[in-house]
Amino acid sequence: EVRLVQSGAEVKKPGESLKISCKGSGYDFTNYWIGWVRQMPGKGLEWMGMIYPGDSDTTYSPSFEGQVAMSADKSISTAYLQWSSLRASDTAMYYCARRNCGGDCSWEYWGQGTLVTVSS
Amino acid sequence: SYELTQPLSVSVSLGQTARITCGGNYIGGKNVHWYQQKPGQAPVLVIYTDKNRPSGIPERFSGSSSGNTATLTISRAQAGDEADYYCHVWDSGTVVFGGGTKFTVL
Repeated sequence: EVRLVQSGAEVKKPGESLKISCKGSGYDFTNYWIGWVRQMPGKGLEWMGMIYPGDSDTTYSPSFEGQVAMSADKSISTAYLQWSSLRASDTAMYYCARRNCGGDCSWEYWGQGTLVTVSS
Repeated sequence: SYELTQPLSVSVSLGQTARITCGGNYIGGKNVHWYQQKPGQAPVLVIYTDKNRPSGIPERFSGSSSGNTATLTISRAQAGDEADYYCHVWDSGTVVFGGGTKFTVL
């Protein structure tokens, strides 16, 4: 069974750093892109970018380029999303998802989400 | 940049057929995927590549796409189908999501 398990909710202050995780199991973690999606309170889905754990190749949405960093440790089947200096506007639910390509590529499996709250 | 337009809300009576649209320039030439998100839950893929259902998704969910509009059809709508629905395409190697449609069963 494919599973993506994300790290728990975080409460941070503006300016602090943060790294959240997404651990995959039930499949070859190195062979599938992992994407990250932001959902601000009461809003829709926003794609942030994706990483290929096999070689850590990344593609960022232009909206998030330079704002976050994606990484992966294939030895422990875990992808990460990192901020160096959080802002209140980073308050959101963050989802990781595994890409699957059959004809075209969709996000077939999703993590449960990590709620990040940034408040002074 | 490519944009996808969805109605803010769609509602139908219990047991009726609902159609949720996703508009985009020549979207019929792209592959469209649809996700269902219930309150407090992660999204779930319900249709991939225009019209295909993942394992476990009821046959009541179907998809089509032509011209400038893709459509998610929910037949015999049930109360359990109430959710937000998002369409998704790829454009220039990046993901584009529609704004989402709130689906209500009356």
